[in-house]
Amino acid sequence: AQKVTQAQTEISVVEKEDVTLDCVYETRDTTYYLFWYKQPPSGELVFLIRRNSFDEQNEISGRYSWNFQKSTSSFNFTITASQVVDSAVYFCALGGAGKSTFGDGTTLTVKP
Amino acid sequence: DAGVTQSPTHLIKTRGQQVTLRCSPKSGHDTVSWYQQALGQGPQFIFQYYEEEERQRGNFPDRFSGHQFPNYSSELNVNALLLGDSALYLCASSKGLFGSPLHFGNGTRLTVT
Repeated sequence: AQKVTQAQTEISVVEKEDVTLDCVYETRDTTYYLFWYKQPPSGELVFLIRRNSFDEQNEISGRYSWNFQKSTSSFNFTITASQVVDSAVYFCALGGAGKSTFGDGTTLTVKP
Repeated sequence: DAGVTQSPTHLIKTRGQQVTLRCSPKSGHDTVSWYQQALGQGPQFIFQYYEEEERQRGNFPDRFSGHQFPNYSSELNVNALLLGDSALYLCASSKGLFGSPLHFGNGTRLTVT
């Protein structure tokens, strides 16, 4: 069975602070994908980043960066210099052949 | 380029009734998945359709059924509605069966009274 755990239920930061969202996953699959999605107050889930299980190279894309560590089954997501518009619920998801398993989300509030 | 569209946006039904939700995938996508999202929780996978067939199913009873049409659009049907079926139902489309990111619609808010 697959499982995704986002231990942080809510995080509150002040604008321009860096913030890291934690994600730990469980799977018996050897090939899988990890995703982060953002759900703003308007409700529509938006895809942010994807990483496959064979590529542990960490990357930076604009203000987003991610740290994938297979040894600890973690896929953490960092927003640098946070902005008020980053306020949303962030979901980590584990995808295999078809279905994606989502965590329960971390609510990020960025205060001006 | 239209994204994923879902209808209706809101629906109120009575316990025991049946409901049909509709979804049109993003242009170029051939796979449709349905998710149920309860308040304060992450989306839960219901099932996935590809080439007009149900390919994978989550832990949902047979009261939940679906269909995919030749134009890739999809329907989700729920029979014998229970109060616990009240949730946001999300449709997601993607390309192929493995590894593609999901593109979500705005969802249908179903309330069962």
